[in-house]
Amino acid sequence: KNEVEQSPQNLTAQEGEFITINCSYSVGISALHWLQQHPGGGIVSLFMLSSGKKKHGRLIATINIQEKHSSLHITASHPRDSAVYICAAPVEDNNDMRFGAGTRLTVKP
Amino acid sequence: DAGITQSPRYKITETGRQVTLMCHQTWSHSYMFWYRQDLGHGLRLIYYSAAADITDKGEVPDGYVVSRSKTENFPLTLESATRSQTSVYFCASTSTSGVAGANVLTFGAGSRLTVL
Repeated sequence: KNEVEQSPQNLTAQEGEFITINCSYSVGISALHWLQQHPGGGIVSLFMLSSGKKKHGRLIATINIQEKHSSLHITASHPRDSAVYICAAPVEDNNDMRFGAGTRLTVKP
Repeated sequence: DAGITQSPRYKITETGRQVTLMCHQTWSHSYMFWYRQDLGHGLRLIYYSAAADITDKGEVPDGYVVSRSKTENFPLTLESATRSQTSVYFCASTSTSGVAGANVLTFGAGSRLTVL
């Protein structure tokens, strides 16, 4: 069993739709990261959260530490949101992290 | 230029050759990391460094060597490249205020390595 599992693996949406990507993890408790990998390959950090909810523009990330589950929501999706979204959980007591395999999102106009 | 830069961005080499991927960051971040990304796998940690002259193995260190003589540089060397090391390699860094898990990671643009 992977330590960090994401669902769905692939997601296609129409512009304007509400998007949800889920992440379940079995390692670490301190924080969870959401990353975005652009079609060109670059990776940027979207959120790092350890409790509750964070919002940045149309992106919202939530986490339930007890259930070891996090969700990334995109409201009013746009074609420029098309990317691979990756969640990552730090391994306790060292500097390693475990990454999900990513969710490939395609938003069609 | 400010930020984290990797070089080369693309490299083709042959089995058995030595290859060095460079990573340079301008923020004086204490922690630096090397990851590889392969189809079907998430990013996997190869090596990391908590400070100059301090390095440690990650999940997949075999076949790789790192050094960190200066805070800003963290080169990754494949001493004798193998086809299984064909991958995209990402360098990342984070600030000094805590372990990686508690701080935002900043990634380089990636280095695509092909071993023939």
